[in-house]
Amino acid sequence: KAGVTQTPRYLIKTRGQQVTLSCSPISGHRSVSWYQQTPGQGLQFLFEYFSETQRNKGNFPGRFSGRQFSNSRSEMNVSTLELGDSALYLCASSLVQGRYTEAFFGQGTRLTVV
Amino acid sequence: AQKVTQAQTEISVVEKEDVTLDCVYETRDTTYYLFWYKQPPSGELVFLIRRNSFDEQNEISGRYSWNFQKSTSSFNFTITASQVVDSAVYFCALILNRDDKIIFGKGTRLHILP
Repeated sequence: KAGVTQTPRYLIKTRGQQVTLSCSPISGHRSVSWYQQTPGQGLQFLFEYFSETQRNKGNFPGRFSGRQFSNSRSEMNVSTLELGDSALYLCASSLVQGRYTEAFFGQGTRLTVV
Repeated sequence: AQKVTQAQTEISVVEKEDVTLDCVYETRDTTYYLFWYKQPPSGELVFLIRRNSFDEQNEISGRYSWNFQKSTSSFNFTITASQVVDSAVYFCALILNRDDKIIFGKGTRLHILP
């Protein structure tokens, strides 16, 4: 079966702009979670969606938001981009919440803010 | 506060050597889940193992083995007879049962030299 697909793979944006990243989970998976990976802070949890509802949120400012659609596809949005938002953004999908089962990750979207 | 420490930032070993990656976690909760993930150069995280706090039984899967010791709050990962394909960044992670927010360690970059 197809894996988790994240689009786009690479993105360059200017400070102050906004960006939307997309994640298509594995068919049948209802949980989608997002992570930010930077050299300084490492891997950090952003948020998790299950059945179109945000179930959990990490410690990120309100500029980071997301949503999940009825087909379980998810998008995350970052508004008013800052240089520090440059990172690899990873999405993961799982059948149910991640602590109960294995999460499958996409290859990520590498965002560069200039 | 919860924390995961991977003290080894980078390790290099020659192929066929055994190598152990250390993971020490901090939590006062009694119910939690521990994970190991592998991140190859392609970027996606690959699930290796999940262990709940009530299951201290060590596990072996092929060349991989895990040693979970609650007494020392450690969940170490050993690769036996390492291979070049094992070269990757390995992350240890913790999820508390009460809030579901995954906390990652900073990762250990493993180089297996031919």
